Amino acid sequence: NAGVMQNPRHLVRRRGQEARLRCSPMKGHSHVYWYRQLPEEGLKFMVYLQKENIIDESGMPKERFSAEFPKEGPSILRIQQVVRGDSAAYFCASSPGSGEGPQHFGDGTRLSIL
Amino acid sequence: AQKITQTQPGMFVQEKEAVTLDCTYDTSDPSYGLFWYKQPSSGEMIFLIYQGSYDQQNATEGRYSLNFQKARKSANLVISASQLGDSAMYFCAMREGRLAAGNKLTFGGGTRVLVKP
Repeated sequence: NAGVMQNPRHLVRRRGQEARLRCSPMKGHSHVYWYRQLPEEGLKFMVYLQKENIIDESGMPKERFSAEFPKEGPSILRIQQVVRGDSAAYFCASSPGSGEGPQHFGDGTRLSIL
Repeated sequence: AQKITQTQPGMFVQEKEAVTLDCTYDTSDPSYGLFWYKQPSSGEMIFLIYQGSYDQQNATEGRYSLNFQKARKSANLVISASQLGDSAMYFCAMREGRLAAGNKLTFGGGTRVLVKP
């Protein structure tokens, strides 16, 4: 399957712990986007990355959240010191290049904070 | 102001009938793209159809068609011959700007469709 791969599919953390969400884009795609979906809501943009560069992080909370897309390996969305309000579905999408075609989404990571 | 508005939180549709899902958008950028995604209960996001702001014809993909009315800033999704598997949340989304610009999508709040047998 050459689709966008996200793992884990479900992640449970206690308040104060760290959460790491991984995303491998589709083969040939060099642009990665992270979105967050709260229950019964639409997706909200968080960050847009190309290899080794953050292009747009206007949707990222100022504290505790960070993202990277290294030269080798998957993109990582990292949430430090998680709180209950971080419970959501986090989706990664990829595209082959700026503006080319639709973004293809992974199946998401459901993060639950105890 | 909301950039993407989906006014129908939920709808029932009879199997084999057509259904129209409303989407209006707000942008001052002359270059933009409109997308529809389907999210079944299993949670994944499935791309359905795309309409570019400069496209002359309405987009169609199988049973999906997009009724694009640029002057009204609407991009309604029409699903023909509904099937039970069409039961899902449907999201309208917009990408603004030139092709070389940032490509974040702005999503509407979604419409839940339930197809009745």
